[in-house]
Amino acid sequence: DTEVTQTPKHLVMGMTNKKSLKCEQHMGHRAMYWYKQKAKKPPELMFVYSYEKLSINESVPSRFSPECPNSSLLNLHLHALQPEDSALYLCASSQPSGLAGEQFFGPGTRLTVL
Amino acid sequence: AQSVSQHNHHVILSEAASLELGCNYSYGGTVNLFWYVQYPGQHLQLLLKYFSGDPLVKGIKGFEAEFIKSKFSFNLRKPSVQWSDTAEYFCAVAPSGTYKYIFGTGTRLKVLA
Repeated sequence: DTEVTQTPKHLVMGMTNKKSLKCEQHMGHRAMYWYKQKAKKPPELMFVYSYEKLSINESVPSRFSPECPNSSLLNLHLHALQPEDSALYLCASSQPSGLAGEQFFGPGTRLTVL
Repeated sequence: AQSVSQHNHHVILSEAASLELGCNYSYGGTVNLFWYVQYPGQHLQLLLKYFSGDPLVKGIKGFEAEFIKSKFSFNLRKPSVQWSDTAEYFCAVAPSGTYKYIFGTGTRLKVLA
């Protein structure tokens, strides 16, 4: 199984809502990533978890809160978002190691903040 | 700061034409290099990767790329494109020993049938 799954596919939320994005992989990867991708732009790294510990936070606003409950799951909790946070949120996973290995990407969650 | 440049933002080719997409990066240390493709409505997929060894790497669907260390470049090539190659192509660089991928701005390729 070389698939990264993400739910939901689409999410519309108001600025006062709390919602969560979910990501799952069963490839035994111990590094998982969240990216944000705006239209016609490259993915921008947000967070990296390695062995379920937060390894990189790219100065992301606290209204985004990542969580890695186990080695297969990655969540992104959203609260009090702004309309400019509307984007495609991508999850990825890879083998952890000193090498930057190939990342496998999920299809993304398209988020719209009203 | 590390950066990745893709000079061609939009490319339009006819079927059977040859393709070369440029990718240059700025980082002085050892890097791992990738080309990803994003077909319309689909997720990012790896085309090919370079970690070490032969600087000419072959990927899926007839794509290849050449790493030229002295030029900090990793250009993508395909001798004869097909309509189904219409997609957005991203070059990505990851310094060895890190989890940090840096993506280029992408090249939108349109192949005319």
